[in-house]
Amino acid sequence: DAMVIQNPRYQVTQFGKPVTLSCSQTLNHNVMYWYQQKSSQAPKLLFHYYDKDFNNEADTPDNFQSRRPNTSFCFLDIRSPGLGDAAMYLCATSRDTGTYNEQFFGPGTRLTVL
Amino acid sequence: AQSVTQPDIHITVSEGASLELRCNYSYGATPYLFWYVQSPGQGLQLLLKYFSGDTLVQGIKGFEAEFKRSQSSFNLRKPSVHWSDAAEYFCAVVFSGSARQLTFGSGTQLTVLP
Repeated sequence: DAMVIQNPRYQVTQFGKPVTLSCSQTLNHNVMYWYQQKSSQAPKLLFHYYDKDFNNEADTPDNFQSRRPNTSFCFLDIRSPGLGDAAMYLCATSRDTGTYNEQFFGPGTRLTVL
Repeated sequence: AQSVTQPDIHITVSEGASLELRCNYSYGATPYLFWYVQSPGQGLQLLLKYFSGDTLVQGIKGFEAEFKRSQSSFNLRKPSVHWSDAAEYFCAVVFSGSARQLTFGSGTQLTVLP
């Protein structure tokens, strides 16, 4: 089945230690998104890629970066995680053909910062 | 300002009872409307969506939603709730001009009593 895969499902890092979260998709979608979801809150969009075109949300901290080496993969890099970055990180994809297409979400990566 | 509101933070229903979750938006035109469900520790699953046409939309798992333009609402309903429906439900909206950005409501946590 076509799907969105996130690895790892659970990630523990130390305060200030860089961490990378991974997302892959078999849907061949043009657009890939990263959301941050803190406990009992709605998901918040950090940034998205339309093909290789990177689009950062205005209020996304510089501490968060992303890479998309090819259509299938997208990475979220947190350069110096703080305690406030502990959250669920959701990856999503959509096919963008000019009209809005639904987003397909992965299962998420739960990040713990010690 | 554009916004989406879920007035109920937490709803409790008995198994077999009917369910209605409320969603209102603030916008001058008709946005694209979605309902997602999130089980604990999981990603988001799309229940249903409304772009245009028939204002009563059928989704998966026996859910339906009705778009009411006069009330700027898109309420989610289910005639008979099952214990497996216990989860968090998010209403999400795409406003025109932000074709790739989902704006989520704050979510409604559903508890189902046996």
